[in-house]
Amino acid sequence: QVQLQQWGAGLLKPSETLSLTCAVYGGSFTGYYWSWIRQPPGKGLEWIGEINDTGSTNYYPSLKSRVTISVDTSKNQFSLKLTSVTAADTAVYYCARWGLAADGMAVWGQGTTVTVSS
Amino acid sequence: SYELTQPPSVSVSPGQTARITCSADALGKQYAYWYQQKPGQAPVLVIYKDSERPSGIPERFSGSSSGTTVTLTISGVQAEDDADYYCQSADISSTYVVFGGGTKLTVL
Repeated sequence: QVQLQQWGAGLLKPSETLSLTCAVYGGSFTGYYWSWIRQPPGKGLEWIGEINDTGSTNYYPSLKSRVTISVDTSKNQFSLKLTSVTAADTAVYYCARWGLAADGMAVWGQGTTVTVSS
Repeated sequence: SYELTQPPSVSVSPGQTARITCSADALGKQYAYWYQQKPGQAPVLVIYKDSERPSGIPERFSGSSSGTTVTLTISGVQAEDDADYYCQSADISSTYVVFGGGTKLTVL
């Protein structure tokens, strides 16, 4: 059974760079798209972007200028970097796997709370 | 930017049927997905490709599509279904994913 385990810094100051990593255990890394999603406190889900094993990426338009998603296939990991963070970037960040046959995001990481505060 | 519109809240009594709608111009051209989220937990996929149910999801969860509106139906609602529900799709060019604002389902 595939599992996603994520980690990264939980407290940042404004203007710093958010950095999170998600590791894939117990399943294939190849062929899937791997996503990052966030959820500000008390608010809904917001998709950030995705990457596949070849490094092809898609980003949400409003975040595109600040986001980089990368992949390390040797470690079955993918990572998120978000630059110039502000308090508005405070959220729980999730990684997730997009199914092979467009069958949705059925596998999620446990979530990482990131707080941006001076 | 592209948006999916959901009602903020729906309330039903146990045993009744709950229907949650999601509307957007590209629905009908793009698949819709539904996620259930309980407090402090990661979302769980309950419907994919408009009407398919993942293994392990109870049969009382179903999805349908008509024009630019998709609907999540929960038949015989149980107390454990009290949660937030999010629809998800993609823009018409399939370049990015979008979530609806979420619907709080309250089981009275």
